[in-house]
Amino acid sequence: DTGVSQNPRHKITKRGQNVTFRCDPISEHNRLYWYRQTLGQGPEFLTYFQNEAQLEKSRLLSDRFSAERPKGSFSTLEIQRTEQGDSAMYLCASSLSGASGAYEQYFGPGTRLTVT
Amino acid sequence: AQSVTQLGSHVSVSEGALVLLRCNYSSSVPPYLFWYVQYPNQGLQLLLKYTSAATLVKGINDFEAEFKKSETSFHLTKPSAHMSDAAEYFCAVSDRGGSQGNLIFGKGTKLSVKP
Repeated sequence: DTGVSQNPRHKITKRGQNVTFRCDPISEHNRLYWYRQTLGQGPEFLTYFQNEAQLEKSRLLSDRFSAERPKGSFSTLEIQRTEQGDSAMYLCASSLSGASGAYEQYFGPGTRLTVT
Repeated sequence: AQSVTQLGSHVSVSEGALVLLRCNYSSSVPPYLFWYVQYPNQGLQLLLKYTSAATLVKGINDFEAEFKKSETSFHLTKPSAHMSDAAEYFCAVSDRGGSQGNLIFGKGTKLSVKP
């Protein structure tokens, strides 16, 4: 078990550019979550998948953001036309979910995005 | 709606002293509560969780937390601080009760440990 991995770890981009982040969850986990964390704040929920289905999206997820999990394994989060306000740490987490509910979420190391 | 308030954005203790990090929650359903730790430039690591069983929950690295419904609190304690405990700590509640929901985090408490 190698844990949740995220790539890249750091991304610097110019305003208006598109960026894409990747998350590889723990292999047997069927749930995958994306959170955003800004300086001095706790993580805020963006969206989550159960297998390949995107089941919930936060109001924080504007139409410039899109997430996919095409085969129920890894996930990508794309931000189009980046703005300076998008600068944050983007965290991915995964968990198991079954009949008795979902188990604890395991977090990856995050991707730090800086928009200049 | 569920929410979490962490009292004190920064707590400083001496090595060997008691650690107490405060968390109060608001929940319209029986809550599931969590404490996570985050070291600089890293993701979050689960310390412990409350899932409606025992009210005193023991976690990793000698941390523990007590669920007090009457006080809507879930404070984190450790009897003796180590230098390696210096990090940011987040309290979280599941957003719809039980374990099905997403996590709602507090703003975090940064713990400093003085030698």
